[in-house]
Amino acid sequence: EPEVTQTPSHQVTQMGQEVILRCVPISNHLYFYWYRQILGQKVEFLVSFYNNEISEKSEIFDDQFSVERPDGSNFTLKIRSTKLEDSAMYFCASSPRGGEAEAFFGQGTRLTVV
Amino acid sequence: AQSVTQLGSHVSVSEGALVLLRCNYSSSVPPYLFWYVQYPNQGLQLLLKYTSAATLVKGINGFEAEFKKSETSFHLTKPSAHMSDAAEYFCAVSPGFQKLVFGTGTRLLVSP
Repeated sequence: EPEVTQTPSHQVTQMGQEVILRCVPISNHLYFYWYRQILGQKVEFLVSFYNNEISEKSEIFDDQFSVERPDGSNFTLKIRSTKLEDSAMYFCASSPRGGEAEAFFGQGTRLTVV
Repeated sequence: AQSVTQLGSHVSVSEGALVLLRCNYSSSVPPYLFWYVQYPNQGLQLLLKYTSAATLVKGINGFEAEFKKSETSFHLTKPSAHMSDAAEYFCAVSPGFQKLVFGTGTRLLVSP
């Protein structure tokens, strides 16, 4: 069964460092997303990506964040200068289309900023 | 803005008992509604979704949910809980565009 895969599963980084979280969405999907879940809190939308551009982003997704689909298969989330409050589980998701279509989630990357 | 409210951060049931997890939505247009389950240290898995076809939606693992417009509710039920149902359950609404807006989640505890 096709699935969304994320690497790494855990990442520890020092405050101020850049991190790149990687995702391989399901191959025939067109919409890609990043969400995050701070420990003990709800899952929050960060950004959606369609047709090689950001289609929507949340207030959380400030200038420190960027997304890219560099080679037609990978979908990355970059945080330029990490802060302690960026520590969270980051989920990648993909969907064959928007709206009512199901989003398929990866297993997540747990980012710890120290 | 569209949102969902999940009543009860924790719900405890005995194995074999009815499971009822509550979700109320706020939407100015007919919503798309979803229930996702998250097992410990895992990602989110879709249980079921409502997309305006049938108001009673059946999902995986014996779960179902009923869309009630008059009550703006989309409660999740299962007639008989299993130990393996212990997990975090999230209700979510899609505003008809692309993103999902999640509720705060309900942790289901199942005791023998």
